[in-house]
Amino acid sequence: QVTLKESGPVLVKPTETLTLTCTVSGFSLSNTRMGVSWIRQPPGKALEWLAHIFSNDAQSYSTSLKSRLTISKDTSKSQVVLTMTNMDPVDTATYYCARIVGALGIDYWGQGALVTVSS
Amino acid sequence: IVLTQTPLSSPVTLGQPASISCRSSQSLVHSDGNTYLSWLQQRPGQPPRLLIYKISNRFSGVPDRFSGSGAGTDFTLKISRVEAEDVGVYYCIQATQFPLTFGGGTKVEIK
Repeated sequence: QVTLKESGPVLVKPTETLTLTCTVSGFSLSNTRMGVSWIRQPPGKALEWLAHIFSNDAQSYSTSLKSRLTISKDTSKSQVVLTMTNMDPVDTATYYCARIVGALGIDYWGQGALVTVSS
Repeated sequence: IVLTQTPLSSPVTLGQPASISCRSSQSLVHSDGNTYLSWLQQRPGQPPRLLIYKISNRFSGVPDRFSGSGAGTDFTLKISRVEAEDVGVYYCIQATQFPLTFGGGTKVEIK
């Protein structure tokens, strides 16, 4: 059974750095056909893709947020970590991690983690 | 790649069909010959759920009243007979090329 679970702070202050962890089970992060993306959704708004990490540790980032994002993984721990620097209230959103399978696209999603940015 | 969904909102009578369009700013055909256009359903308060992948393939457990079609830059999701549990927001997403992009969403609601 494939599962993904996001964890991290519920509240961060403006200018702080956000660190989110996605813990996966039911598949390996070393599987060459699979990778993990982070996606966010501000309250009442649409989904926005942020970043992706491939099995070989290659990364891809949102063009508009690239300077603020870093994605990494620890295969032995089955974890993918996203950091976002210089947080602002407009970054308030539910942050999801999701699995991408090469022949299919995004298939499984985590439940999401709501992060509020406020002083 | 920009994905434009229409309509923004679709009020539907129970048992009636619904149709959502997704238009891409460029062809979604990958160099491997596949088209990685998917449809997601997001029920209120829930994470998104995969319905359709590669234009027309239903994901595991998805009812057959959901179908996808299209090619190149124009794609459609159809619900043959809307049920109460289908209420939510539907998104198209392309995974042909990074950065991945989503459509703006279409809200399906019951009249």
